Amino acid sequence: QVQLVQSGAEVKKPGASVKVSCKASGYTFSDYYMHWVRQAPGQGLEWMGWMNPKNGDRKYAQKFQGRVTMTRDTSINTGYMELSRLISDDTAVYYCAKVRHGSCCSFDSWGQGTLVTVSS
Amino acid sequence: QSVLTQPPSASGTPGQRVTVSCSGSSSNIGRKTVNWYQQLPGTAPKLLIYSDNQRPSGVPDRFSGSKSGTSASLAISGLQSEDEADYYCAAWDDSLNGYVFGTGTKVTVL
Repeated sequence: QVQLVQSGAEVKKPGASVKVSCKASGYTFSDYYMHWVRQAPGQGLEWMGWMNPKNGDRKYAQKFQGRVTMTRDTSINTGYMELSRLISDDTAVYYCAKVRHGSCCSFDSWGQGTLVTVSS
Repeated sequence: QSVLTQPPSASGTPGQRVTVSCSGSSSNIGRKTVNWYQQLPGTAPKLLIYSDNQRPSGVPDRFSGSKSGTSASLAISGLQSEDEADYYCAAWDDSLNGYVFGTGTKVTVL
């Protein structure tokens, strides 16, 4: 069955960077775009961008342009999301998600989430 | 601030029908398909409805989606205690050139 397993919780200081990994299994990693979504404590869902594992193409939400980088390592079926120049408002649970077959943006599988805490 | 607006809360007793609205614009719901996600407390979201009104395998037919113009709705019929969760609509937005989620609705089973 499809599984997305994310790396563990992180605590970072303001100004630092964080890199979250998302290891895929149960499907052909290169065939489905991977998206990243975050959720601040008690808040709603916020889309961050997508990455095409086949060729590395990516698109980022305007809000995160210049601060986010999405990459992948196809040899280990893993996607990565790196967010730099962290501020306290970046404290959130970060999710990776896989799109449905033939879909732009309906996410049929999600990682378990990675809590990133930004605190001095 | 999200471009898709949902009521903060909705509620019903077991067995009742509850609807959740999602109001957008011509740049998102008006021209793109709508998806709905269910988020149970402390868990990752789950795809509930895709392409306006399609249910993924395994989603009970108590859940249904519809769309008209620039608004969409999620209906839960025969409400059950396990339906208590947060529900989010979502769609691509051509003006923002990005994917947007609704503000979220907390459904409570009384």
